[in-house]
Amino acid sequence: QSVLTQPPSASGTPGQRVTISCSGSSSNIGSNYVYWYQQLPGTAPKLLIYRNNQRPSGVPDRFSGSKSGTSASLAISGLRSEDEADYYCAAWDDSLVVFGGGTKLTVL
Amino acid sequence: QVTLKESGPVLVKPTETLTLTCTVSGFSLSNARMGVSWIRQPPGKALEWLAHIFSNDEKSYSTSLKSRLTISKDTSKSQVVLTMTNMDPVDTATYYCARIGDYPDYAMFDPWGQGTLVTVSS
Repeated sequence: QSVLTQPPSASGTPGQRVTISCSGSSSNIGSNYVYWYQQLPGTAPKLLIYRNNQRPSGVPDRFSGSKSGTSASLAISGLRSEDEADYYCAAWDDSLVVFGGGTKLTVL
Repeated sequence: QVTLKESGPVLVKPTETLTLTCTVSGFSLSNARMGVSWIRQPPGKALEWLAHIFSNDEKSYSTSLKSRLTISKDTSKSQVVLTMTNMDPVDTATYYCARIGDYPDYAMFDPWGQGTLVTVSS
């Protein structure tokens, strides 16, 4: 059972906009930054969003992050087939890192 | 270019101690404000953070696994070592190491190693 709560699955058609939520508490998301990771099948996770809404160089601006209170969201616009992957949120929580359970995104 | 690579046994027996090594390049373990974390992922399951260590030897551990984990570093060899005692089949997972930043970026894993699959079985 993960400390951060994500929907297990999400889906969309090419070109659509999809959002993935991440719900936490005052000790993690409520008082620390949120980070998002993309894990393509059979590969290591990759940093997608840092400090709630910042994109590392090389990450397309189709990916965006936001945070409000104890929840955060990842939005993907202009959905593409190569976005099909697992997505995880993470945050610091007092004295340890906590992850979400992951969301499997399917591009229909 | 920053890279990390995990190494260790592919198979361990129940009750044995697992020792994993993360060899880093492109940055120094003596760099201030940089550290290395270990994260694992059981097959088909979510990511789980295990521990981190910084250049000043500051360490943190997963609350649930703290009694079984030890993280250390050898700066001269550019290596971070994780030991986990009393291995059980539920510990079967891909183990990753990743570079992290100093607070508040303790959860900013970038980049990640390729991971190493460890199977616990008799």
